Amino acid sequence: QKEVEQNSGPLSVPEGAIASLNCTYSDRGSQSFFWYRQYSGKSPELIMFIYSNGDKEDGRFTAQLNKASQYVSLLIRDSQPSDSATYLCAVRYTDTGRRALTFGSGTRLQVQP
Amino acid sequence: EPEVTQTPSHQVTQMGQEVILRCVPISNHLYFYWYRQILGQKVEFLVSFYNNEISEKSEIFDDQFSVERPDGSNFTLKIRSTKLEDSAMYFCASGSSGGSFNEQFFGPGTRLTVL
Repeated sequence: QKEVEQNSGPLSVPEGAIASLNCTYSDRGSQSFFWYRQYSGKSPELIMFIYSNGDKEDGRFTAQLNKASQYVSLLIRDSQPSDSATYLCAVRYTDTGRRALTFGSGTRLQVQP
Repeated sequence: EPEVTQTPSHQVTQMGQEVILRCVPISNHLYFYWYRQILGQKVEFLVSFYNNEISEKSEIFDDQFSVERPDGSNFTLKIRSTKLEDSAMYFCASGSSGGSFNEQFFGPGTRLTVL
């Protein structure tokens, strides 16, 4: 069973702080990793993806991948109240031809004004 | 900015009835997906569709489910005989063929309520 694990939270941070969201996955063959943001009652919105070990930055967001530890994280700098949402980690596994994403249960982030 | 659209936004049906959920993927995308999310649970993959055929499906996607691309723009999910446990948000997603990283962009979803 291929699993994606996330702490459900809530993770509470003050406005302007760095929020750190973590995700672990079970399959060493995993290829691509995605972070989605989901506001309550809405659909997942793609924030960014990463496939190589190391860091990838996009604006206030940084994704970090460590394949040896099977760990991917998302850092949100200068957190804003509008960042309050559930953050979903999704993994694409590398079985031949597979494009399905396996999602974690999400971490709820609360940014306190 | 192009986006995936879905209709209806909310569908209420009686158990045993057939429903069709509709999606219009982003116009230059070639890969199409359906996912569902039962209230309070994870987003779950149902099926992927490419080149007019199913390329992958999960164990959830049994004989009660089918997908179709009836024309050049629509992508549909049919549930033949709905069950109470089919109540969920159903998300359509699409992705382009370019790049191997498989970014998928989700539509706003259809909330299906089976009574």
